[in-house]
Amino acid sequence: GAGVSQTPSNKVTEKGKYVELRCDPISGHTALYWYRQSLGQGPEFLIYFQGTGAADDSGLPNDRFFAVRPEGSVSTLKIQRTERGDSAVYLCASSLAGSTDTQYFGPGTRLTVL
Amino acid sequence: AQSVAQPEDQVNVAEGNPLTVKCTYSVSGNPYLFWYVQYPNRGLQFLLKYITGDNLVKGSYGFEAEFNKSQTSFHLKKPSALVSDSALYFCAVRLSGYSTLTFGKGTMLLVSP
Repeated sequence: GAGVSQTPSNKVTEKGKYVELRCDPISGHTALYWYRQSLGQGPEFLIYFQGTGAADDSGLPNDRFFAVRPEGSVSTLKIQRTERGDSAVYLCASSLAGSTDTQYFGPGTRLTVL
Repeated sequence: AQSVAQPEDQVNVAEGNPLTVKCTYSVSGNPYLFWYVQYPNRGLQFLLKYITGDNLVKGSYGFEAEFNKSQTSFHLKKPSALVSDSALYFCAVRLSGYSTLTFGKGTMLLVSP
C-alpha cells in the first residue's frame, strides 16, 4: 500500500516568509509525528498528533511553528517568519496508534531559507 | 530524559565480512528500541525493533540486533555485509508509555567491494 507522502519535496523561501509543509499519513494510522533533521544529526521530535489533537507539542522550538490535523488524516506544519536556522529536512511519520507501534517515515521536505 | 549514543560516526567493513553498528541508550524505565536506515535523499526505513521478549531481534535485509539490558546496548549486526548496505543508520529509543522517538546522531556504514 501507499506509504507516508510529503509535499513539497523541496521548498526554498526567503527569510521572513511563511511556509506550509504537508504530510499524508498511511491510511488508517491514527498517530502522526513531525520531526526535524538538521545536517549531520538524527531527527528531532517536533509534535505528535493522536487523531485530530496534538498530544505532545513539546518539541516545537518556538511559537513561529504550528501544526494542524483537522480531520485526523492530513497534517500541515506551518512556519511563520522563517529564519535561516529553520533550514532542515522536515520528516513526517505515522503509526497505527500505540507506543509499541512502528513509526513509518515519509521522504521528507527539504526546507531552505535564504 | 532519554538519550541515545552512537559512538561511531562511521564504520568501514569489507563486503562479506560481519558488521556491527553500536548503540547505547539511557532511559528511566522500560525502553523500546528501534533501528532505521536512511539512503541518500530518502526518508528513514524501519529495520527492526525490540519491545519485549527474546533479546535477539531479527529484521529486514538480514539485519539483527541484540538487546542487552545490563550494558544498556542495542547493537545492530549482520553476518555478511553487502555493498548495498552502505547507508546511514540510526538507533532510536522510546520510553514505555510514551510515543515520541529519540534518535542517535547516526552512523555511516561503508561497505567496500
